[in-house]
Order: sequence, then structure tokens, then C-alpha cells
Amino acid sequence: KQEVTQIPAALSVPEGENLVLNCSFTDSAIYNLQWFRQDPGKGLTSLLLIQSSQREQTSGRLNASLDKSSGRSTLYIAASQPGDSATYLCAVMNSGYSTLTFGKGTMLLVSP
Amino acid sequence: DAGVIQSPRHEVTEMGQEVTLRCKPISGHNSLFWYRQTMMRGLELLIYFNNNVPIDDSGMPEDRFSAKMPNASFSTLKIQPSEPRDSAVYFCASSQGHRGGYGYTFGSGTRLTVV
Repeated sequence: KQEVTQIPAALSVPEGENLVLNCSFTDSAIYNLQWFRQDPGKGLTSLLLIQSSQREQTSGRLNASLDKSSGRSTLYIAASQPGDSATYLCAVMNSGYSTLTFGKGTMLLVSP
Repeated sequence: DAGVIQSPRHEVTEMGQEVTLRCKPISGHNSLFWYRQTMMRGLELLIYFNNNVPIDDSGMPEDRFSAKMPNASFSTLKIQPSEPRDSAVYFCASSQGHRGGYGYTFGSGTRLTVV
């Protein structure tokens, strides 16, 4: 059974810092990996989708990498801003399935 | 596009009552998913439909839970009878294609409180 772990569970940084969120998964036979953002009381917003054949994806100040063989992904946020404060969730889709297995998220607080 | 639409946004009900949650997926998306989110367990898949047919319902916790998708634009998740441990946020999501290769779009969720 696929298990997804995110470290750290919570992170507090001052504005302007570059930061890295980590995600690990136990079964490397994945189809894709997705990073989501969740604001309090809201739904999930997809940030980046990395197919299993890809190594990284970039969108603005966000960069996500994937090392399938080691079961790891990182989300890099450059020049963090208070508006980046949210919970970031990593989710993997296993080969042969269409459903996602989620980590429990990293709660990020960026202070001005 | 209005995105995935869920109703109601909030539901408070008494133990033993029937609860029905509703979802309208994005037009053209042929896969629909129901997830439940709690502090303790995070996000868990309840059931997955493809082309209106249930494909995987292994996450439905017990017979008190049922889900239907009568057409491509509507799905319901019903809990009967409801119990306090069912309190959670229930999310509906849809995707294009059987494998979700284009990613998921989530609704805003229904926060259910059973007292």
C-alpha cells in the first residue's frame, strides 16, 4: 500500500526566504505526482503536476522535482511571500490506478 | 468554467439523520472522486467514478455510506444514518481522462458536523 510522508509538518519563515518542502513515497511505481495548495477552509488548488517520466516542473516561483527511484519529491518556493501561507499537499498516483494517495501536508506560515 | 461545485458548503445534523452531499463536476471531465479530510487521517479516497460507473469504492467506510452518479453532471454522497465520527470535510474532485493525467480539480468541500 502506498504511503506518502511530508516533512516538515509545519514551517514558519520570514518573508523573502527560499524554502524546500519534502515529500517521500514508499512505492516508486507511480504514474504522476502532484503538489496542491490548500488555504484554510478552502478546497485544494493544483500547483504542479509531474509525470513519472519527468524530473521537474516549474511555475513562477515554484519548482517541483521528482526522483522516482528514491521515492522523493521536493517543492522549492523562491522568495517566499506572506501570500504563500497555506498548507501544501503532495499526492501520488500509482501506475495502474487513477486515484491519488495524499500526504498529510506541510503547514507554511510566511511572516512579513 | 465555474469549476467543481459542491453543496451544501456546511451541514450540521443530528446523529441518526440522513445526509446528502452533492457535486457537479467540470463539464467534459469523465472521472469523479469523493474524498474525506480529517485532522487525524488527512485526505482519504472514498469512491471513484469513471464515465458515471463506480470503479473503486474500497474507501467507503461502511454500508452507511453510498454514492451515485446518475449522469455526467451530477453525483451524490449519502450517509444514512449519520454518526459523530462522520464529521469531516468532504471533497469532490473531477479530472479529464481515465488516468487523471491532466490533474485533478477539487471543489470547495462540504464541512459536515454530526452532533
